[in-house]
Amino acid sequence: SQQGEEDPQALSIQEGENATMNCSYKTSINNLQWYRQNSGRGLVHLILIRSNEREKHSGRLRVTLDTSKKSSSLLITASRAADTASYFCATALTGANSKLTFGKGITLSVRP
Amino acid sequence: GAVVSQHPSWVICKSGTSVKIECRSLDFQATTMFWYRQFPKQSLMLMATSNEGSKATYEQGVEKDKFLINHASLTLSTLTVTSAHPEDSSFYICSARVASGFYNEQFFGPGTRLTVL
Repeated sequence: SQQGEEDPQALSIQEGENATMNCSYKTSINNLQWYRQNSGRGLVHLILIRSNEREKHSGRLRVTLDTSKKSSSLLITASRAADTASYFCATALTGANSKLTFGKGITLSVRP
Repeated sequence: GAVVSQHPSWVICKSGTSVKIECRSLDFQATTMFWYRQFPKQSLMLMATSNEGSKATYEQGVEKDKFLINHASLTLSTLTVTSAHPEDSSFYICSARVASGFYNEQFFGPGTRLTVL
């Protein structure tokens, strides 16, 4: 089974609102990453949080990691219509040569 | 920096033909490249991991004789879908890993849309 599971599967919000997406995983990780994918396009790396970090910011993005609960959240503040996309969390297991395992993704729709 | 390109971006072929997809790391050397497949509205599924100069490691359920991977240099990996059939139609994405100490990061290509008629 996949390592990461995002929640909710779909989210629809109004422009200007905040969007919170959650990701849970099952085993110990080296790092967790969030990606965005616009329809039919490649993945855009948003942010990487390491297992020894608890919170990270990048522009309007805020990511938290709770290793005790094996969960992460991605917060997009002041959402824009251009944020409409699918968002995936991906985990890298412990070990320098570990591969990424992706969750099923969250479809975010931001209404203008 | 850390740009990964794929070529072609889309391809349409007849059933039974072979298709080659290239993945290049443009401004860095990638010791490891990954190939993923993504069906519509689904997640990325890892197909195989390739290390430069050695044979690729395929995930369970992926036919290595059908999906040939060659990682001949530190900047180029190719995926060849042999004798393609309509069920092979999918979005194929490669990624390249930059080895930077203990925390390795992957950078993804823009994907290749394969349609087999």
